[in-house]
Amino acid sequence: NAGVTQTPKFQVLKTGQSMTLQCAQDMNHNSMYWYRQDPGMGLRLIYYSASEGTTDKGEVPNGYNVSRLNKREFSLRLESAAPSQTSVYFCASSDPKGYEQYFGPGTRLTVT
Amino acid sequence: QKEVEQNSGPLSVPEGAIASLNCTYSDRGSQSFFWYRQYSGKSPELIMFIYSNGDKEDGRFTAQLNKASQYVSLLIRDSQPSDSATYLCAVTDAGTYKYIFGTGTRLKVLA
Repeated sequence: NAGVTQTPKFQVLKTGQSMTLQCAQDMNHNSMYWYRQDPGMGLRLIYYSASEGTTDKGEVPNGYNVSRLNKREFSLRLESAAPSQTSVYFCASSDPKGYEQYFGPGTRLTVT
Repeated sequence: QKEVEQNSGPLSVPEGAIASLNCTYSDRGSQSFFWYRQYSGKSPELIMFIYSNGDKEDGRFTAQLNKASQYVSLLIRDSQPSDSATYLCAVTDAGTYKYIFGTGTRLKVLA
């Protein structure tokens, strides 16, 4: 089992460019999450999907959109990147509700 | 605003000593509690979880939960330099599918 996988590992964007971060899990989990981690700020929830077909905003959703493509895949899209979105992005999954959450390796994004 | 509080550290302990990491949380309804270890440049790795009051032991790690005091702790016995990392405390947000994370405590184990 690969667990939670993310692509790409690194990305550099110019302000205004768009991109999609991909996440997939092979643990048959229902819930999936996108976080960003900035120095001194801890992990902040961007969006989550409690189950296939549903998505909800987290703490910092502005500037992002998500798609729960199927049970395995949950993507995060930046429509018009801004320097404030420079961060490390982690995808995670869990099942059932309130149980252990597992993280992907992360995507390090720099917006210039 | 529901919060999880951790001392940012660094907490420095000599090799072989017990490291004690603490966390308090504000949501009385939280049911599940987790400790993650995060090495620099890596993703959080789940090392312990606890759901009921008391102690839970796994190898060198012991998680302690006191719901009345809204307090979770992690003890690491026989600390090794390889334990040097940031330790994140997380709790479930009652009634939702969300998790609330603390900002982490940096642990340094000195050889």
